[in-house]
Amino acid sequence: GDSVTQMEGPVTLSEEAFLTINCTYTATGYPSLFWYVQYPGEGLQLLLKATKADDKGSNKGFEATYRKETTSFHLEKGSVQVSDSAVYFCALSVLTGGGNKLTFGTGTQLKVEL
Amino acid sequence: EPEVTQTPSHQVTQMGQEVILRCVPISNHLYFYWYRQILGQKVEFLVSFYNNEISEKSEIFDDQFSVERPDGSNFTLKIRSTKLEDSAMYFCASRGGMANTGELFFGEGSRLTVL
Repeated sequence: GDSVTQMEGPVTLSEEAFLTINCTYTATGYPSLFWYVQYPGEGLQLLLKATKADDKGSNKGFEATYRKETTSFHLEKGSVQVSDSAVYFCALSVLTGGGNKLTFGTGTQLKVEL
Repeated sequence: EPEVTQTPSHQVTQMGQEVILRCVPISNHLYFYWYRQILGQKVEFLVSFYNNEISEKSEIFDDQFSVERPDGSNFTLKIRSTKLEDSAMYFCASRGGMANTGELFFGEGSRLTVL
């Protein structure tokens, strides 16, 4: 079945540090890939997405490139801020005829300190 | 901007009681979902719903769970007899038609506490 593997957290960084959160996937079809973010006390928000190989999703300074050859979708940001502290979920979706669902990774908690 | 809304935001119930969680998906969306997240754990798929019927469900979604779209706008999750292990955050989500890239739009969640 489909699955997503993320690096374990929590990840603690100083403000302005470089961030990488690794994500790899296995899928039976040709998935779309997503990063969702969950800020403390809030629901899940789409951060970025990519729908085909070599696509780069980007938003709010975060980027991730769909790498089919390595089945990866690593999240990066060049300079994190305290406000980026949240839990980040990598997810995939394979479009089929019916109830396509998102399959989530376990989530990676990011803490950014001054 | 259209959004998915969920009620209640928090419900506390006694074990064995019935609970109904309500969701209003984005109005032109066709596919509806429930997920849950036990505190500190991953977000787990429960069920998907399309064309007024369940299209897929997980092994978590046993006979104690049911979903309904009673009036064309609300989408409800019912737990008939709650157990302690049902305590979790329940997220409703929706998405558009087949041309969509698969992105789901989530509500802010309903926290269920079973005592």
